[in-house]
Amino acid sequence: DVKVTQSSRYLVKRTGEKVFLECVQDMDHENMFWYRQDPGLGLRLIYFSYDVKMKEKGDIPEGYSVSREKKERFSLILESASTNQTSMYLCASQEGRNNEQFFGPGTRLTVL
Amino acid sequence: GQQLNQSPQSMFIQEGEDVSMNCTSSSIFNTWLWYKQDPGEGPVLLIALYKAGELTSNGRLTAQFGITRKDSFLNISASIPSDVGIYFCAGRGTGNQFYFGTGTSLTVIP
Repeated sequence: DVKVTQSSRYLVKRTGEKVFLECVQDMDHENMFWYRQDPGLGLRLIYFSYDVKMKEKGDIPEGYSVSREKKERFSLILESASTNQTSMYLCASQEGRNNEQFFGPGTRLTVL
Repeated sequence: GQQLNQSPQSMFIQEGEDVSMNCTSSSIFNTWLWYKQDPGEGPVLLIALYKAGELTSNGRLTAQFGITRKDSFLNISASIPSDVGIYFCAGRGTGNQFYFGTGTSLTVIP
């Protein structure tokens, strides 16, 4: 079974703080994704990565950056957190480009 | 980014009833996925569809890849209380990016 883990289930940060969200997958998948999920808006793609040190912008990359130094780990960084970044953040992993995505349990981030 | 139209938005049904929901897109898709998400958890993959017209079952769940390649359907037969949750569709065209529906919230009344 694919296992995707995220470093925190719940996180509370203050405006202006730098925030790191970590995601690890154990199936040697090439592709990893970061989404945010908001009521009524569904899942929106922030960034994705097809390989180590590779990253591509999704639909809403503003205010975020990512890092993929190792194949199994994909980090999402909020350089200076803002209240409109309060959301549920979901990481997903995918083998190859034609297969289904598997999700982690999510991190619910609140920015005060 | 593209968003899929998923309906209905919410459903309240009696235990034992069958459930139907669907997703439509303005674009042709090559893959359709259906996920279920429990409160506070990440989505869990239920069924994957790769071919137009394909009908796939997973226990009491059945999903179909529409012939036009612009829609997909999910049916749940004989619903039980643990079916409660939010069901999402996701579709992928020729690129690698998946687009997601806004979800159908299912409540099963015992």
